[in-house]
Amino acid sequence: EVQLVQSGAEVKKPGESLKISCKGSGYSFTSYWIGWVRQMPGRGLEWMGIIYPGDSDTRYSPSFQGQVTISADKSISTAYLQWSSLKASDTAIYYCARQDIAAASWFDPWGQGTLVTVSS
Amino acid sequence: HSVLTQPPSVSGAPGQRVTISCTGSSSNIGAGYDVHWYQQLPGTAPKLLIYGNNNRPSGVPARFSGSKSGTSASLAITGLQAEDEADYYCQSYDSSLSGSGVFGGGTKLTVL
Repeated sequence: EVQLVQSGAEVKKPGESLKISCKGSGYSFTSYWIGWVRQMPGRGLEWMGIIYPGDSDTRYSPSFQGQVTISADKSISTAYLQWSSLKASDTAIYYCARQDIAAASWFDPWGQGTLVTVSS
Repeated sequence: HSVLTQPPSVSGAPGQRVTISCTGSSSNIGAGYDVHWYQQLPGTAPKLLIYGNNNRPSGVPARFSGSKSGTSASLAITGLQAEDEADYYCQSYDSSLSGSGVFGGGTKLTVL
């Protein structure tokens, strides 16, 4: 079974750094893109960016370029989303999902989501 | 504002047919890029409902169908059931956004 399992909920203060993870199993991790999607409280889905773990090719939405960093460690089939300095507006659920082809393709399956709360 | 525009809400009675529109532009849907649809039940992660405009993944009932024409796409749900009450999102690709995908703003479906 193809599965993406994300790291647990986080509570952080503004200005702190954070790295959340997404571990893939049941398929060749290096042969598919992994994307990250933000969902702020009560809001819709936002496409953040994608990475191809095979060669670490990474693409960002202009809205998130420079705000987050997407990376992957193919040796442990894990993708990451990280912030160097969190803001209260980063409070959201973050989903990872597998994508067949870069950007134009669909996301399936999805991880269970990681709730990030940033509050002083 | 989302690049793809969806109605904020739609509703229908059990057994009825509803459609949800997704309107884009010449840089996304109108440029020929595929549209995909997701269902998000309350408190859960999104689930792929339709891919490549009109294809259903295994396990998705035939009551769900998708179509695309010009700069718009639509999701149709026939034989509406109570468990269909959820948020629905369209997704495509936009050539003006540096190789980025885009989502619609989402539509809340209420089963009356």
